[in-house]
Amino acid sequence: DAKTTQPPSMDCAEGRAANLPCNHSTISGNEYVYWYRQIHSQGPQYIIHGLKNNETNEMASLIITEDRKSSTLILPHATLRDTAVYYCIAGGASGGSYIPTFGRGTSLIVHP
Amino acid sequence: GAVVSQHPSWVICKSGTSVKIECRSLDFQATTMFWYRQFPKQSLMLMATSNEGSKATYEQGVEKDKFLINHASLTLSTLTVTSAHPEDSSFYICSADSRRGSSYEQYFGPGTRLTVT
Repeated sequence: DAKTTQPPSMDCAEGRAANLPCNHSTISGNEYVYWYRQIHSQGPQYIIHGLKNNETNEMASLIITEDRKSSTLILPHATLRDTAVYYCIAGGASGGSYIPTFGRGTSLIVHP
Repeated sequence: GAVVSQHPSWVICKSGTSVKIECRSLDFQATTMFWYRQFPKQSLMLMATSNEGSKATYEQGVEKDKFLINHASLTLSTLTVTSAHPEDSSFYICSADSRRGSSYEQYFGPGTRLTVT
């Protein structure tokens, strides 16, 4: 899996968009970008993943740069319950399984 | 989305005893399940990869005789911590693969907090 780099912490105001960056400059052409989050004392929760195109689901949007060296997870209207550690993982070649390897992630604090 | 359960959610045991943790995929079949361990204020550390019907693959530094993994069916994997010691106290988390199209999504259990006294 490609190495990823994330800021250790971020904060945003409730109701505002939270934009979490991730650098994955060594990602290979067939590796996906996955995002998970972990709320304190719970198991990680899958958020979204993508290969080349931007993706959106009910939880978030994923913006991947054209060169695929970085991406941004967007929580459009952050709530207090979005306070968690967010992990960006690059891996899982197309058509194959992968083993998520977790770095330190970004600790997002959403404040009132 | 797919649901993975773990049982028990927390357990306290005495040093020297063994503890079994169950991981189940509730609404999908998982060929591969994974076991992680997480110490306070640290990230998840992969312990082993479990494939149905075959022996688990352990990460370097994880004692296979101490952490016994059995993956008897496509919906159940168990982790047994044998002869537990206080340093085994941790948060144990399992996950399971769910294939969607050409990619895989990992779904994680809620975790089991083990305290060894």
